[in-house]
Amino acid sequence: GAVVSQHPSRVICKSGTSVKIECRSLDFQATTMFWYRQFPKQSLMLMATSNEGSKATYEQGVEKDKFLINHASLTLSTLTVTSAHPEDSSFYICSARLGGFYTDTQYFGPGTRLTVL
Amino acid sequence: DQQVKQNSPSLSVQEGRISILNCDYTNSMFDYFLWYKKYPAEGPTFLISISSIKDKNEDGRFTVFLNKSAKHLSLHIVPSQPGDSAVYFCAASASGSARQLTFGSGTQLTVLP
Repeated sequence: GAVVSQHPSRVICKSGTSVKIECRSLDFQATTMFWYRQFPKQSLMLMATSNEGSKATYEQGVEKDKFLINHASLTLSTLTVTSAHPEDSSFYICSARLGGFYTDTQYFGPGTRLTVL
Repeated sequence: DQQVKQNSPSLSVQEGRISILNCDYTNSMFDYFLWYKKYPAEGPTFLISISSIKDKNEDGRFTVFLNKSAKHLSLHIVPSQPGDSAVYFCAASASGSARQLTFGSGTQLTVLP
């Protein structure tokens, strides 16, 4: 249980185009999903917190107009990188929060490798 | 200021022996702690967690210990297997923050056959 999928797993695009990444919780509902970015040999950097039915909360330094997040349902959140540039090339990972009585765990997707040419 | 620290960037252990990964935190508001395992170019895989109301949680070969007074937690893997070789991240969260995770910098575990 608690499986999170991401699509696509890898995308290569030209500079100036927009790319959409989907994150789905497959066997549970997640009112909260998170988007991270990982740079080489570094830990995960939280970009934004996505709540179903409301606007995402962005971390300091993350441009909300650049990284559009939509959390339209309890099982789907999307991240759109608008007008992508080479510096946006990175590994993007989403997670979905599954809470319980004494547990509150984020389950991560497999990640999306974005390469902007 | 790093609120969650993993001071050992790497650890090598012989197969069959115990692996002990350590993690320290500074924020006393953290009340839930998790360990993840990660391979390159993949998302982290959840291993085990512990709430601050406990000091130990066990799941198969994995045991997490929490010492609140020392603000320290550790992950014990016994017996260690070559397939355990990966980067291990500890993470912490606090209530009232949407349970956002604060990650340590990771420890590369290598289990030697």
